[in-house]
Amino acid sequence: SAVISQKPSRDICQRGTSLTIQCQVDSQVTMMFWYRQQPGQSLTLIATANQGSEATYESGFVIDKFPISRPNLTFSTLTVSNMSPEDSSIYLCSATRGAAYNEQFFGPGTRLTVL
Amino acid sequence: KNQVEQSPQSLIILEGKNCTLQCNYTVSPFSNLRWYKQDTGRGPVSLTIMTFSENTKSNGRYTATLDADTKQSSLHITASQLSDSASYICVVSLTGGGNKLTFGTGTQLKVEL
Repeated sequence: SAVISQKPSRDICQRGTSLTIQCQVDSQVTMMFWYRQQPGQSLTLIATANQGSEATYESGFVIDKFPISRPNLTFSTLTVSNMSPEDSSIYLCSATRGAAYNEQFFGPGTRLTVL
Repeated sequence: KNQVEQSPQSLIILEGKNCTLQCNYTVSPFSNLRWYKQDTGRGPVSLTIMTFSENTKSNGRYTATLDADTKQSSLHITASQLSDSASYICVVSLTGGGNKLTFGTGTQLKVEL
């Protein structure tokens, strides 16, 4: 298994500011992902964090709004830029070790509230 | 559009009782189906993973079934406990999808005394 931690666990931010969320895995993983979970909703994939190259974004999500870094095999960051109240959500990091059948592990999430 | 639909949306049962949660999917081509448990304020935790060739998979008091022909799955919880109160999410993975998962909206289960 893989243990995933996220920082911060929660934050309250002002409109127009940016927040960077950190994701740390306790062992090397092949793939890392960022999800958003809006209140009462299920998870929506934002992007796949690629080591050493630009992230791959899903439809509806763009790099300018959600820049992502992945400098190595155990760490990634997601920045929520120029925030608005609509960005209030839980942001989750996940990781897997590769093959399609492999389990995908999730971090505890970062609860973001934008005022 | 690939979709995963779950029912019921919410469920309340008494401690010690059994319950069954349903999942219907239209995701294609299908690789595997997973059931996750998500406690409030926590990330999802995997309960079972099944490929199209597997009909059933158990994990303690949790038993998942899969009918790939009808594209239906169920999660059966036996002898429920208060700690089973959580959201249960059905998740489907596409073949060649690069580990991309399609999530259902979940069933919110509450176990009461």
